[in-house]
Amino acid sequence: SAVISQKPSRDICQRGTSLTIQCQVDSQVTMMFWYRQQPGQSLTLIATANQGSEATYESGFVIDKFPISRPNLTFSTLTVSNMSPEDSSIYLCSVEDGVQGDGYTFGSGTRLTVV
Amino acid sequence: AQTVTQSQPEMSVQEAETVTLSCTYDTSENNYYLFWYKQPPSRQMILVIRQEAYKQQNATENRFSVNFQKAAKSFSLKISDSQLGDTAMYFCAFMLFHDYKLSFGAGTTVTVRA
Repeated sequence: SAVISQKPSRDICQRGTSLTIQCQVDSQVTMMFWYRQQPGQSLTLIATANQGSEATYESGFVIDKFPISRPNLTFSTLTVSNMSPEDSSIYLCSVEDGVQGDGYTFGSGTRLTVV
Repeated sequence: AQTVTQSQPEMSVQEAETVTLSCTYDTSENNYYLFWYKQPPSRQMILVIRQEAYKQQNATENRFSVNFQKAAKSFSLKISDSQLGDTAMYFCAFMLFHDYKLSFGAGTTVTVRA
């Protein structure tokens, strides 16, 4: 299984500011996924990040709010821009584990609190 | 769009006993994968067990087993000999055969009592 290092593990931010979350994978992967988990809720896919192309965003998520970078096959960042208290969530990155259908490995998550 | 329903928000079980978590899903497709993930308080999502829809045999991983009923679109998880370390939120997830997107249920919080 891939090993993902996700940073920061938590942060408290002022409204109106931005936070960039990093995910580093110990192996090359084609796709990386970014999820949001609002308090007490399930995971919602924000976008899929492919190396060398723009990220693909899910309905309800836009690039201006959640810009994503994918400079190589082992690294990606998600920025939460112009934050408001409603952005307080856990953000997780994920990669496919092995071949399709094997499941996914997740980062340890970033707990974001916006005050 | 595929939907995944977990109708039990919370479950409590005595240590060493068995608990079963329910999951139903809705799809018109025939080929897909089903997963159960565990999220303990550490927030780390951990794959517990997976099932391919084309396999009739129910998957088993140590104390964890599933009851996969394809016609009923049901995918329940049984935790046997519950341990304190099983305390976590459990998510059922669905993925189509040639897709890469996971659809998660709302989750079931399992508390194992000593």
